[in-house]
Parts: sequence; structure tokens; C-alpha cells
Amino acid sequence: DAGVIQSPRHEVTEMGQEVTLRCKPISGHNSLFWYRQTMMRGLELLIYFNNNVPIDDSGMPEDRFSAKMPNASFSTLKIQPSEPRDSAVYFCASSLGYSNQPQHFGDGTRLSIL
Amino acid sequence: QQQVKQSPQSLIVQKGGISIINCAYENTAFDYFPWYQQFPGKGPALLIAIRPDVSEKKEGRFTISFNKSAKQFSLHIMDSQPGDSATYFCAASKGGSEKLVFGKGTKLTVNP
Repeated sequence: DAGVIQSPRHEVTEMGQEVTLRCKPISGHNSLFWYRQTMMRGLELLIYFNNNVPIDDSGMPEDRFSAKMPNASFSTLKIQPSEPRDSAVYFCASSLGYSNQPQHFGDGTRLSIL
Repeated sequence: QQQVKQSPQSLIVQKGGISIINCAYENTAFDYFPWYQQFPGKGPALLIAIRPDVSEKKEGRFTISFNKSAKQFSLHIMDSQPGDSATYFCAASKGGSEKLVFGKGTKLTVNP
């Protein structure tokens, strides 16, 4: 079975540009999570959706970040405008949609903002 | 505010030895404590999890020990192997919530 699929795997862009990260969750999973991983701050939850509805976006750093889930099989995380401090590995994860269930992570997008 | 404190940051163990990673939490509303394993270039993957109604859970060479009164839990890896070299994260969540709070991670190196 296919796991969580993220694209692109790597993204290098200049400061000020718009960045769009994409995620396809595991089929049948009802919850989707976006995380950011850095050496300094570790693994941080940015936002999560349940049944395509944003449930908790308290981790979104600022208005430059936005996330959408237009349907059960696709989500995007957008940064506009991007800044060097946004450089990190961004992970998407999905789960069955209720507490105490494993979150299945994709392999991440390594984002570098120059 | 770090809700789950993990130690050590890094750990080097010889093959066949025991690896021990510790985590502490403050929020007594937490009632689910998973451990995730992450290899370089990959996303974290669930390794083992425990709920506070038991003090220990064992799966193969991996054991979680849980001390509710001390608000601490730990991961023990018995007979550590070079293939166990990875970064390990403890996490916690509150009852009824899917939101996980992760520790900062421990980079484990098992020397052959």
C-alpha cells in the first residue's frame, strides 16, 4: 500500500518567492497533519485537519503560512512570501482520525530559502 | 514552553548493550505516550506506545517503562544493534485529542 506521498522532496528558492508543498494522505485516513522539523525547535505541529476541516492551526507561525485540504486525498501548505528562517524539513502525516492512532509520516520536503 | 522534555540529546552504545532514553512531562491530562523512530531522510514512524494504566509495555527488544507518579516514561532498547541507529522521539497527547507534542529527540548511535 502506498504511504503518505509528499512533493517535492527538495525545494530551493529565493527569499520572497511563493512556496507550495503538497501531500497525498493514505487512502481511508481522515486526519492530516503538517509538521515542521528544525534542529533548534524539533518537530512542531503546524496544523491538522479532520475530514478536510482545519481543527487546530495554533502552530502556524504567521500569516505567511496557509494550508488547505480541498478533498480527502490532497492538501497543500503554502508560504508566501518565503523567508530564510522558513528553511526546514516539512512533514505531512495522516491517521485514521481518532485519538491514540498512529500517525503515518511522509518522507518530507526539505525546503531551503536563500 | 516545552511540554515533553527528552534526554539525552545523543547516545552512543556498543552493539549488544542497552539503550535508555528518558522523557518527562508536566501536563497530567496526557494519557497516550508513543515513541517514534526516524531514520535519516525519512519521516518518523511509530515504534511503540503506552497508556498510563500500565507501567510497562514490551514489543520484542523495545520496552516502555511508565512512572505515572513521577510523570516520566522511558524507552529501553535491549541488545542494541547497528540497525537501531536512528533518532528517537517521545510524544504525548491528551485524552480524545489527536494532537501530539513531541520531545526534541535523541540521536542513537550503536557501534558495531
